[in-house]
Amino acid sequence: DAGITQSPRYKITETGRQVTLMCHQTWSHSYMFWYRQDLGHGLRLIYYSAAADITDKGEVPDGYVVSRSKTENFPLTLESATRSQTSVYFCASSEGSAEAFFGQGTRLTVV
Amino acid sequence: DQQVKQNSPSLSVQEGRISILNCDYTNSMFDYFLWYKKYPAEGPTFLISISSIKDKNEDGRFTVFLNKSAKHLSLHIVPSQPGDSAVYFCAASGNQFYFGTGTSLTVIP
Repeated sequence: DAGITQSPRYKITETGRQVTLMCHQTWSHSYMFWYRQDLGHGLRLIYYSAAADITDKGEVPDGYVVSRSKTENFPLTLESATRSQTSVYFCASSEGSAEAFFGQGTRLTVV
Repeated sequence: DQQVKQNSPSLSVQEGRISILNCDYTNSMFDYFLWYKKYPAEGPTFLISISSIKDKNEDGRFTVFLNKSAKHLSLHIVPSQPGDSAVYFCAASGNQFYFGTGTSLTVIP
C-alpha cells in the first residue's frame, strides 16, 4: 500500500520492557519524524532523520532510540519503557518543509 | 520553550458561520506555516499551508492569513460545516516541523 504505515496500532507493555514501534513509507521521502501526542502538549518531536543513517534529537528524545538504515523505515525503540511514555505516537515523512504526511498512530500503554 | 502556540484549546461555532483559529510563533526564520486537521484515532492530515513570503493562501472554504510583523497566522473556515469538527494543529517548518498544542473546533448544526 502506498503511503506511510505504522505498526502496531495498539500496544500494551510493562514497565522496563523494550518495545519497538515501526514506521514505513513508500514515497522515498528524505525526512522522517517521530512525534508523541499528549493532552495539553500537542505534538512533540522525539527524533527526526534527514536521510538514511542521519538522525537528530527533537524536543523530547530521552528514553528513545531511533535508527534509519533504509530510507523507507524509521523504527522507534523505547529501551526500558516507563509509564510516562504512555502516549500516542505518530510517524511522519516529508520531502521538504512544505508538508509532512502522517501515519495513523500507535497508541502505547505502559503498565 | 514552545515556538508555536495556540492559545485557544477549544472553539464552538454555528454551522454556516465563520471559524477563525489562531496561532502565534516566535521564530522569524520559519519557511512555511501549515494547518493540520485531526480526527480521533487518526493521524493528522494536511489542510493548507502558506509560504513565509506570502500573506494569504486560499483553498475552497479554507483561507490562511500570515502576519509576519506580528508573528501570527490564522485559519478561516467559511462556511463552517459539522464535518469540520476536529482538532486543528498549526505548524511551522524549517529543518523540522514545530506544532502547536491544537484547537478543538466544534461546529454546531
